[in-house]
Amino acid sequence: QKEVEQNSGPLSVPEGAIASLNCTYSDRGSQSFFWYRQYSGKSPELIMFIYSNGDKEDGRFTAQLNKASQYVSLLIRDSQPSDSATYLCAVMNYGGSQGNLIFGKGTKLSVKP
Amino acid sequence: NAGVTQTPKFQVLKTGQSMTLQCAQDMNHNSMYWYRQDPGMGLRLIYYSASEGTTDKGEVPNGYNVSRLNKREFSLRLESAAPSQTSVYFCASKERLAGGQDTQYFGPGTRLTVL
Repeated sequence: QKEVEQNSGPLSVPEGAIASLNCTYSDRGSQSFFWYRQYSGKSPELIMFIYSNGDKEDGRFTAQLNKASQYVSLLIRDSQPSDSATYLCAVMNYGGSQGNLIFGKGTKLSVKP
Repeated sequence: NAGVTQTPKFQVLKTGQSMTLQCAQDMNHNSMYWYRQDPGMGLRLIYYSASEGTTDKGEVPNGYNVSRLNKREFSLRLESAAPSQTSVYFCASKERLAGGQDTQYFGPGTRLTVL
């Protein structure tokens, strides 16, 4: 069974700090990795994706991938109260006829003013 | 461009009742998905459809049926609802990103309570 693991949190950080969210995955052959943000009562929203080892930056968000350690992380710089949400890590699984996403259970982030 | 739409937004059923959750996308995507999301369990795939006329089981298909009516629409049916099917149901469709990676875009969800 291919798995994606996340710390459920809650992770609490003060406004302006860096929030660090982590994710590990079990399938060494995984190629694509995604971070979704989900506000309470809303649907998941894609915020970052990464498929090469190293860092990928988009505004205040940085995704980091280390395939050797099977580890993906999301850094949020200058955290704002509006970043308070649950962050879902997802890995694309290409077993079978097409790719399906396997999701972690999510990490709840709370940014305190 | 409405993206992925779902109806209804909320529904309360009694045990044994049936209902169909509707999903439609206007992005010309081939692949569509149904997930359920429960507290502490994350998103779990119920069924998916790689193209019009094809459907496949996901991780938790028992108690559900699906229909891919056409390229736009993918419906999920509960024939005899059970309290264990109380959940939030999300429909999604797959898009090819720049660079060739695939991802999924989600509808707003249906909150279903089975009494």
